[in-house]
Amino acid sequence: KQEVTQIPAALSVPEGENLVLNCSFTDSAIYNLQWFRQDPGKGLTSLLLIQSSQREQTSGRLNASLDKSSGRSTLYIAASQPGDSATYLCAVGGSGKLIFGQGTTLQVKP
Amino acid sequence: GAVVSQHPSWVICKSGTSVKIECRSLDFQATTMFWYRQFPKQSLMLMATSNEGSKATYEQGVEKDKFLINHASLTLSTLTVTSAHPEDSSFYICSAFGPSVTGEQFFGPGTRLTVL
Repeated sequence: KQEVTQIPAALSVPEGENLVLNCSFTDSAIYNLQWFRQDPGKGLTSLLLIQSSQREQTSGRLNASLDKSSGRSTLYIAASQPGDSATYLCAVGGSGKLIFGQGTTLQVKP
Repeated sequence: GAVVSQHPSWVICKSGTSVKIECRSLDFQATTMFWYRQFPKQSLMLMATSNEGSKATYEQGVEKDKFLINHASLTLSTLTVTSAHPEDSSFYICSAFGPSVTGEQFFGPGTRLTVL
């Protein structure tokens, strides 16, 4: 059974810092991995999608990497801004389903 | 990107009543949609997979008689919470595979259900 873990559960940083969010999964037989952002009381916004054959994806200040063999993905946020404050969820796709981690709640202080 | 909508965005109902939540793919056809629930400060839990024209597949522990799913068209899936109780209060989110073959899922904005 696939299990997805995100560390840390919460993170507070000053504005401008670069930061890394971690995601690990137990079964390396995945189809893809998605990173999402969720603001309080809102739905999910897709940030990046990495196919199982890819190593990384970039979008603006965000860079996501995937190491399938070790069961790990990281989301790198460069030059963090207060508007980046949200909960970040990673989800592993396989067998037609997405399995979510518990999320990392990020607070970027001005 | 593909757009998924949900209606209503929030609903308050009395205990014992039934509530229907709609999930629509606005600019693409979705043969498969997914229903999740999310409790406060927790992650999303997959409830069921909704397949157009066939019965939904429920995850272990989810009562299919309580959470009725109908996927009658390629753009609409509905979740009906029957005989709702306060413990059913939650945030319900649907998703669908987008039109590309990447397997990317697109999520609706969610429906906040409060059962009094």
